[in-house]
Amino acid sequence: QSALTQPPSVSGSPGQSVTISCTGTSNDIGGYNSVSWYQQPPGTAPKLMIYDVSDRPSGVPDRFSGSKSGNTASLTISGLQAEDEANYYCCSYTRTNTLVFGGGTKVTVL
Amino acid sequence: EVQLLESGGGLVQPGGSLRLSCAASGFTFRSHAMSWVRQAPGKGLEWVSVISANADTRYYADSVRGRFTISRDNSKDTLDLQMHSLRAEDTALYYCAKRLSYSSNWSYLDYWGQGALVTVSS
Repeated sequence: QSALTQPPSVSGSPGQSVTISCTGTSNDIGGYNSVSWYQQPPGTAPKLMIYDVSDRPSGVPDRFSGSKSGNTASLTISGLQAEDEANYYCCSYTRTNTLVFGGGTKVTVL
Repeated sequence: EVQLLESGGGLVQPGGSLRLSCAASGFTFRSHAMSWVRQAPGKGLEWVSVISANADTRYYADSVRGRFTISRDNSKDTLDLQMHSLRAEDTALYYCAKRLSYSSNWSYLDYWGQGALVTVSS
């Protein structure tokens, strides 16, 4: 199972919006709505930010939103804040009953 | 408060074995599927394995299938990962993580431990 494809980095100024793409195949993202996103600041454990493609767990700001079209999922951070600077990983359930993560995207707040 | 505390990491030679444990507290352990996810130094996340709440279902990544075994003890609220035939590429920080409480989908992981470092080197 190959990793999902994410851009290595994205950046934006405070208050701007950034979108991270995550491309898979019909065997993972395209075949299921079991897409999630994790935030991982350096030196910390990952934190669940989005599940079921677009739902937010309790406590996650509504600045974070998710979507999916075909084999590609996306995470958008609106109103970018300094505290959003971190690595972000997408994740999908696959047809072989496993999980596959993306390679990660570093979000930099300029 | 949910807590997941991994232990058992360390330095092991290639071909060797190691057993990781994860002590859980603050939630109903026996009701939640549990996963192991690893992260090689400076690299991204890699899912390793999952075990259902009652241990009747287990899945593994291709990279560890046949070498690693996941297990749990619901009477002690502990999750284990037995690792055999270890390779240099198994060097990573190993996290245990629990299923999101308000979803039946085991693929969503809402609490993670701080990780146990496994180093495979001669």
